[in-house]
Amino acid sequence: KAGVTQTPRYLIKTRGQQVTLSCSPISGHRSVSWYQQTPGQGLQFLFEYFSETQRNKGNFPGRFSGRQFSNSRSEMNVSTLELGDSALYLCASSFLRKQNYGYTFGSGTRLTVV
Amino acid sequence: AQKVTQAQTEISVVEKEDVTLDCVYETRDTTYYLFWYKQPPSGELVFLIRRNSFDEQNEISGRYSWNFQKSTSSFNFTITASQVVDSAVYFCALSDEYSGYSTLTFGKGTMLLVSP
Repeated sequence: KAGVTQTPRYLIKTRGQQVTLSCSPISGHRSVSWYQQTPGQGLQFLFEYFSETQRNKGNFPGRFSGRQFSNSRSEMNVSTLELGDSALYLCASSFLRKQNYGYTFGSGTRLTVV
Repeated sequence: AQKVTQAQTEISVVEKEDVTLDCVYETRDTTYYLFWYKQPPSGELVFLIRRNSFDEQNEISGRYSWNFQKSTSSFNFTITASQVVDSAVYFCALSDEYSGYSTLTFGKGTMLLVSP
């Protein structure tokens, strides 16, 4: 069974641009969460989607947004990129919302903002 | 608020040594879940174990073992007879009622380097 697929794997963008990252969850998984990983802040929760609705949001500015489609695939968008947005963005999927069922993570998209 | 502390930033051992990774957590909830994840250079977080707050039994899985102690709010992870393939960053994480059990609060991670 295929795992969580994130595309692209690597991305280089210029300050001020916007970027869209994609996440395809494990087949049958309906919950998708996004995390940002940086050397300074570590792993931080961005947002969680379930049944096409954002259920939870971390402490990030409005430049960070996302959505989930009817097939559970999710995208996250960062507008007006800043140098500090350079990070590994990880997507995780789960059959249901609750953590007691565990999340499976993808390999991430490494975004570099220059 | 929730908090997970992994005081060890980096540990270096020689193959076949035993190594323990420490994790201390804070939560005001009585029901919570603790996790360990491994992050190899490829980047993905690999799930290792999940424990709930009502189950303090220690667990052993092959060369891995976990020691959960509510009295000290610790959930330590031991690798016995370490191997080069164990080299990775290891994260301890917490999920609790406050977060609706739908988010993970991670520690900063411990980088484990196992040399031959």
